[in-house]
Amino acid sequence: GQQLNQSPQSMFIQEGEDVSMNCTSSSIFNTWLWYKQDPGEGPVLLIALYKAGELTSNGRLTAQFGITRKDSFLNISASIPSDVGIYFCAGLNFKTSYDKVIFGPGTSLSVIP
Amino acid sequence: GAVVSQHPSRVICKSGTSVKIECRSLDFQATTMFWYRQFPKQSLMLMATSNEGSKATYEQGVEKDKFLINHASLTLSTLTVTSAHPEDSSFYICSARDRLSLNTEAFFGQGTRLTVV
Repeated sequence: GQQLNQSPQSMFIQEGEDVSMNCTSSSIFNTWLWYKQDPGEGPVLLIALYKAGELTSNGRLTAQFGITRKDSFLNISASIPSDVGIYFCAGLNFKTSYDKVIFGPGTSLSVIP
Repeated sequence: GAVVSQHPSRVICKSGTSVKIECRSLDFQATTMFWYRQFPKQSLMLMATSNEGSKATYEQGVEKDKFLINHASLTLSTLTVTSAHPEDSSFYICSARDRLSLNTEAFFGQGTRLTVV
């Protein structure tokens, strides 16, 4: 089946530093989604990408849909303490409303003040 | 917009009893809702996909008689964990897609923490 890998698994950074995390897939997706999850909460959508090569920003967050359609990255600039959480990438092939959102294992981000 | 609400947020039940979790799309109509299960420090695992007015499609290894899903309207889906056991304790999360949106992202509820004692 389709599998996603995320790297790094976890990261500890100093407040103010930039962050980069990656997601790769064994197969092609036509939509990439990045979510953030805080403890005890559901995931919150950060960025959605719909086209290969697309680069999209949301405030301090920037994500790109890889040209091969098998990867995506998320960058966070000038990190702040509230960026702490688990970041999940998710892939989707939209054909019908039955299509599933497949999640990566997540990247845990810790920000040291 | 695109708010998905789950209720309850936490529930503790006795072993052998059943628990119902509700998932509502508050400001949009959701033809499709998805139910996920998440164990501590792990990713979200899709359990089933429910479409309004039809039977849910379950992922391999998920017992449909144990996890009953009903999607009676375009804004409400329910997951009932029947004859719950301690190993069913987990974080259950629903998500929904806006059927009128050209985009395909899914929005998530806040999750339900189930503890079976």
